[in-house]
Amino acid sequence: AQSVTQPDARVTVSEGASLQLRCKYSSSVTPYLFWYVQYPRQGLQLLLKYYSGDPVVQGVNGFEAEFSKSNSSFHLRKASVHWSDSAVYFCAVNAGAKLTFGGGTRLTVRP
Amino acid sequence: GGIITQTPKFLIGQEGQKLTLKCQQNFNHDTMYWYRQDSGKGLRLIYYSITENDLQKGDLSEGYDASREKKSSFSLTVTSAQKNEMAVFLCASSIWGARGTETLYFGSGTRLTVL
Repeated sequence: AQSVTQPDARVTVSEGASLQLRCKYSSSVTPYLFWYVQYPRQGLQLLLKYYSGDPVVQGVNGFEAEFSKSNSSFHLRKASVHWSDSAVYFCAVNAGAKLTFGGGTRLTVRP
Repeated sequence: GGIITQTPKFLIGQEGQKLTLKCQQNFNHDTMYWYRQDSGKGLRLIYYSITENDLQKGDLSEGYDASREKKSSFSLTVTSAQKNEMAVFLCASSIWGARGTETLYFGSGTRLTVL
């Protein structure tokens, strides 16, 4: 069985600050890992994904994520957030059977 | 590029009523999905379909039916609406690729309210 935990339901940061959104997973095998973002009144869009290789993957809009097998984590980072980054961020994992989503982290960026 | 269109955007029904949600995609993707999004609980898979006339149950299929009569469309029916299933229903599609690696493309959702 696989599961995903996003321990922070809400995160608030100031514009220009750095950001880390946490994601921990549980899986018997190394899964494929994804971050999706949901802007207000929209569906989810893929930010980035990790299959293998370099544990740091780059995504759209300056986002990156780092895979850690030892910590079973796939944290999302951004060096400097913009107000337009305010959205709900979902981590998801797939160990080959189905895609499992975390509960999401709602990010608010203060101007 | 392509788009996924979900109709209606807002659906209001009475408890016990049968309600249908529709989804169309023009990506020409093989696989389509229905997810339910409850606040703070992430997305849960209701049904998916890997090709026309195929249906596969997800984790939350009880109380729902689905229909995939064309490659481009996927419908979801709430067989008897209950107040505890008020949520946003998201349709998605993907290319049927190496298992587990698919990128999903989502519609903007149908918000269900049950009176």
